[in-house]
Amino acid sequence: SQQGEEDPQALSIQEGENATMNCSYKTSINNLQWYRQNSGRGLVHLILIRSNEREKHSGRLRVTLDTSKKSSSLLITASRAADTASYFCATAAQGGSEKLVFGKGMKLTVNP
Amino acid sequence: EADIYQTPRYLVIGTGKKITLECSQTMGHDKMYWYQQDPGMELHLIHYSYGVNSTEKGDLSSESTVSRIRTEHFPLTLESARPSHTSQYLCASSPAMNTEAFFGQGTRLTVV
Repeated sequence: SQQGEEDPQALSIQEGENATMNCSYKTSINNLQWYRQNSGRGLVHLILIRSNEREKHSGRLRVTLDTSKKSSSLLITASRAADTASYFCATAAQGGSEKLVFGKGMKLTVNP
Repeated sequence: EADIYQTPRYLVIGTGKKITLECSQTMGHDKMYWYQQDPGMELHLIHYSYGVNSTEKGDLSSESTVSRIRTEHFPLTLESARPSHTSQYLCASSPAMNTEAFFGQGTRLTVV
């Protein structure tokens, strides 16, 4: 079964609002990553947070990680119509696994 | 844009045909991955490779096979395509364990 589960599955907001997406996972991780996918395209890496980090920022993105709850959140501030896409979390397991396992994804729609 | 390329972008073939999906990267990455993506977005890891002459099956059982004879090339082959193979196939690479992955644009395969 997949490692990560994004929540909510779909989110529709107005331009300028903040969007928060949550990800839960099951096993111990080395790091957690967030990716974005525009319709019909490949995934693009957004941000990586290591297991010993609690928060990370990149531009309008803020990621938090709570390893005790095995969860992460991605916050997009001041959203734009161009942020409309699907967002995925992915985990790299602790212990040397080469695998990067993705969650089911969440569809964000930002209305102009 | 990442230097990882998949061909073809779209393919419609008849049942029983043999096909090879191409994936090439010019970044010298050792790690490469194949994911199958449902219409409902979920990504499933079907194959991965640590480097030349190493391949491993992923979490989702697949009738496809892969090879890694050269660092830059990771083709995926279906010996006899079936309608159940209809899906989006995404190839990715990463420079090392526990780092970000770079994705190709994907191949959308339809088997009729």
